[in-house]
Amino acid sequence: GQQLNQSPQSMFIQEGEDVSMNCTSSSIFNTWLWYKQEPGEGPVLLIALYKAGELTSNGRLTAQFGITRKDSFLNISASIPSDVGIYFCAGQLSASWGKLQFGAGTQVVVTP
Amino acid sequence: DGGITQSPKYLFRKEGQNVTLSCEQNLNHDAMYWYRQDPGQGLRLIYYSQIVNDFQKGDIAEGYSVSREKKESFPLTVTSAQKNPTAFYLCASSPVEGLSYEQYFGPGTRLTVT
Repeated sequence: GQQLNQSPQSMFIQEGEDVSMNCTSSSIFNTWLWYKQEPGEGPVLLIALYKAGELTSNGRLTAQFGITRKDSFLNISASIPSDVGIYFCAGQLSASWGKLQFGAGTQVVVTP
Repeated sequence: DGGITQSPKYLFRKEGQNVTLSCEQNLNHDAMYWYRQDPGQGLRLIYYSQIVNDFQKGDIAEGYSVSREKKESFPLTVTSAQKNPTAFYLCASSPVEGLSYEQYFGPGTRLTVT
């Protein structure tokens, strides 16, 4: 079952603000992935992280693989209206190839 | 251009009927997956396949069946034994070589059973 705790559940922010969300677990992961899903569509991969401590950016998005390997963080800087959507974290456990564990998602709403 | 296609986008069925959801990929990925998504929840794994003619149950396989006769195709059948089949179904694929666990998703099929 689901082992990832993703927070916050939702965020209502103004355009231009920064957004931060995180995922935590009691298990150790060897990969962290961050996806964005828009209504009625499939998730789109934003960032993949493979090493503890790794910090990776994709435009205004920055994600980090926690040092303990039990958590990950995603930041969105200077939010714009098209950042609206649900952001999911996913982790790959060391001993279970192909079986990603997903967080419940963070819904981001950006107001002008 | 490469990607994953799922059809149809919306599917309506009467209770007691089996229904098959299509998933095709041209990314040359060996592995394919089926997930179920319910409102307010993360994705839950139904079945996955690492290679043609082989597949494994995920966390919620009861009431579902799959086949993997071709590398490009991984259809999912929702049987009448699935107690609560109404959901958004997502297909994904990934390579199996190296360290890449990145899964790429199709656009999804929304199934409504009444």
